[in-house]
Amino acid sequence: DAKTTQPTSMDCAEGRAANLPCNHSTISGNEYVYWYRQIHSQGPQYIIHGLKNNETNEMASLIITEDRKSSTLILPHATLRDTAVYYCIVRVQESQGAQKLVFGQGTRLTINP
Amino acid sequence: NAGVMQNPRHLVRRRGQEARLRCSPMKGHSHVYWYRQLPEEGLKFMVYLQKENIIDESGMPKERFSAEFPKEGPSILRIQQVVRGDSAAYFCASSPPQTSGPRYFGAGTRLSVL
Repeated sequence: DAKTTQPTSMDCAEGRAANLPCNHSTISGNEYVYWYRQIHSQGPQYIIHGLKNNETNEMASLIITEDRKSSTLILPHATLRDTAVYYCIVRVQESQGAQKLVFGQGTRLTINP
Repeated sequence: NAGVMQNPRHLVRRRGQEARLRCSPMKGHSHVYWYRQLPEEGLKFMVYLQKENIIDESGMPKERFSAEFPKEGPSILRIQQVVRGDSAAYFCASSPPQTSGPRYFGAGTRLSVL
């Protein structure tokens, strides 16, 4: 699986858009980009994933560059409850076989009032 | 549809005792994953199971740890002869067939070894 690089920590003001970058320069053509987050002391929460097109759901938007070497997770209107560690993971999506996700250190996002 | 259920939420054991952690996946999910998170560290993959089969146990310690996911009932992560270093949060995740990777995580079991 390709390695990802994320900033260790970020701050964002409440109500503003939070933009979390992720570099994955060694990503291969069949690897997807996944984002999860972990709010303190809770289980990880799936946010979104994509291959090459930008994706949006009720939680966030995922912008993947054309060369797929980096991506950005966007929380459009951050709230205090979005304070968490955000993990960017790249993984081959298969219908069968071992499909573990390897979590790195992530970005600790702090939303400030 | 209830989420992934883990119990107990908190478990205290003395050194040398056994710990049994249970995970009930979401309805219709046949894939279960176990992860461990040591204090102030990241999530580490332990094992991936489908009903009655261990698919990938590359993250499981070679001794004292075992996991099962029987045809009926929850998945069980069993730790024999616990030591203080086993103190951690253990998370279970499940996903339906044809879905890549763990999608829904439980709230975790926090094991404390005295």
